[in-house]
Amino acid sequence: KQEVTQIPAALSVPEGENLVLNCSFTDSAIYNLQWFRQDPGKGLTSLLLIQSSQREQTSGRLNASLDKSSGRSTLYIAASQPGDSATYLCAVSSNYKLTFGKGTLLTVNP
Amino acid sequence: NAGVTQTPKFQVLKTGQSMTLQCAQDMNHNSMYWYRQDPGMGLRLIYYSASEGTTDKGEVPNGYNVSRLNKREFSLRLESAAPSQTSVYFCASNRGGEQYFGPGTRLTVT
Repeated sequence: KQEVTQIPAALSVPEGENLVLNCSFTDSAIYNLQWFRQDPGKGLTSLLLIQSSQREQTSGRLNASLDKSSGRSTLYIAASQPGDSATYLCAVSSNYKLTFGKGTLLTVNP
Repeated sequence: NAGVTQTPKFQVLKTGQSMTLQCAQDMNHNSMYWYRQDPGMGLRLIYYSASEGTTDKGEVPNGYNVSRLNKREFSLRLESAAPSQTSVYFCASNRGGEQYFGPGTRLTVT
């Protein structure tokens, strides 16, 4: 059974700092990996999708990497802003289904 | 495009009552999903439909039924609600491995 772990569970940083969120998964037979953002009381917004054949994806200040063989992904956020405060979820996909980690709660302090 | 829509946004039920959560997507996606999100448990898959006319159980299907009415609509039914079904329910659809989520239904069972 696939298990996804996200470390740390919570992170508080000052504005402007670069930061890394970690995601690990136990079964490397994945179709892709997706990073989401969730604001309090809201749904999930897709940030980045990395196919299993890719090593990384970038969107603006966000960069996600994937090392399938070691079962790891990182989400790098450059020059963090208070508006980046949210819960970040990692999910791996196999056979039509996603398995989610429990998320990292990020707080960026002005 | 409205994306993925869910109704209702909020619902309070008494134990033993029944209700149906509605979900629709206008992106012509084949696959649709129902998740529940609970504090400390993350997102867990209840049921999914890989294509019109098919449905399959996910991780936590007990107490729920689903109907894939057509390609657009995928409903989740609670036949006899229990307090353990108090949760936030998300519907999602999938294209090319990327999942798109609805805004959620917050359900309380008293």
